[in-house]
Amino acid sequence: GAGVSQTPSNKVTEKGKYVELRCDPISGHTALYWYRQSLGQGPEFLIYFQGTGAADDSGLPNDRFFAVRPEGSVSTLKIQRTERGDSAVYLCASSLLPTTPGFNSPLHFGNGTRLTVT
Amino acid sequence: KQEVTQIPAALSVPEGENLVLNCSFTDSAIYNLQWFRQDPGKGLTSLLLIQSSQREQTSGRLNASLDKSSGRSTLYIAASQPGDSATYLCAVTTRQGAQKLVFGQGTRLTINP
Repeated sequence: GAGVSQTPSNKVTEKGKYVELRCDPISGHTALYWYRQSLGQGPEFLIYFQGTGAADDSGLPNDRFFAVRPEGSVSTLKIQRTERGDSAVYLCASSLLPTTPGFNSPLHFGNGTRLTVT
Repeated sequence: KQEVTQIPAALSVPEGENLVLNCSFTDSAIYNLQWFRQDPGKGLTSLLLIQSSQREQTSGRLNASLDKSSGRSTLYIAASQPGDSATYLCAVTTRQGAQKLVFGQGTRLTINP
């Protein structure tokens, strides 16, 4: 079946501009995650949604970053006043919620959006 | 703060060899550990998920072990093939349900024909 879809695949923007990155999770997956991966590093957690609400946004680096998931499916990561340090690959993942306490479901990742701020 | 380390950072071996990738974590209070594969310019593909109560998981030529008390996991790849070339990442979850994965930096594996 279809996997996690992220658009655009590449985004180049000028410093100070606003950008939106979109994620379409796997159908039926109620959990959705955003991660950021810098070159040569492992992904870093940004935010996690259970349904429509952000269950954990502790990884958002500052108030320029915001994410929404209004209908519990598609999510948008929004970055205001972009800075060159925001350049990275932004990865989205989805999963089923765990059905047994203590047993978590595997994450399924999209191919990411490569953001370049010039 | 949980930290995950992967050694080596890069590994190059001839085709057909068996190999082991290492992952260590500083806080043993984990709920699960996952191994992922990442091809250049692509997202991550989950290979194996080991729950905290388990000691190993197997999928085809891959076997992952977990020793929570010592804070270590290994990924064993048998009879390596050029198609196994990729970056392998391990990640741990330290809070049930949140799936806030903490990743290592990865091991870049090259299998030479």
